[in-house]
Amino acid sequence: DVQLLESGGGLVQPGGSLRLSCAASGFAFSSYAMSWVRQAPGKGLEWVSAISSRGSNAYYADSMKGRFTISRDNSKSTVYLQMSSLRAEDTGVYYCGKERASKGDIDSWGQGTLVTVSS
Amino acid sequence: EIVLTQSPGTLSLSPGERATLSCRASQSVSNSNLAWYQQRPGQAPRLLIYGASSRATGIPDRFSGSGSGTDFTFTISRLEPEDFAVYYCQQYGSSPLTFGGGTKVEIK
Repeated sequence: DVQLLESGGGLVQPGGSLRLSCAASGFAFSSYAMSWVRQAPGKGLEWVSAISSRGSNAYYADSMKGRFTISRDNSKSTVYLQMSSLRAEDTGVYYCGKERASKGDIDSWGQGTLVTVSS
Repeated sequence: EIVLTQSPGTLSLSPGERATLSCRASQSVSNSNLAWYQQRPGQAPRLLIYGASSRATGIPDRFSGSGSGTDFTFTISRLEPEDFAVYYCQQYGSSPLTFGGGTKVEIK
């Protein structure tokens, strides 16, 4: 079974940084693109970023460009999201997802990790 | 950026009834690269439909999707108690990927 386990969330002050990790198992990690999607409290889903299977291509939502960096370590079956210059509006649950056939739709999701940006 | 508008915002129905949800895109979604997800309270989303009309693995056939271009429809033929949830559409035909605002299907 596919398992995705996010970690690294927590409380951070505005302007601070945080690195999220997503440890994957149960599938050929290096063959799939991976994504991050977030959800503000009581709100809808927002796509954050994606990375190709080999890590050579990264994509970002406009509001995250320049502040967030996605990366992966295929030897550790782990994908990361480095977040900096955090704002209150970055608060939410961050989900890691495996893309189905690396197309962009997400067929497996982690349980999410909560990021709270507040002073 | 492709903006997805879902309607209605809330759908109040009874078990056994048919649910029809709409997702309209601000521009054409290439190759019908549109997906539908279900999210129950406190849970991660679940992929139901991809490619506008293909059911994901293990998804019951009461769930279906159709459409192309800018207009897409998601249907639940007969609502089961576990189907009351929020449904999101997502386009993945062009970057940035985007989600619709969601439709809540609630028990009437």
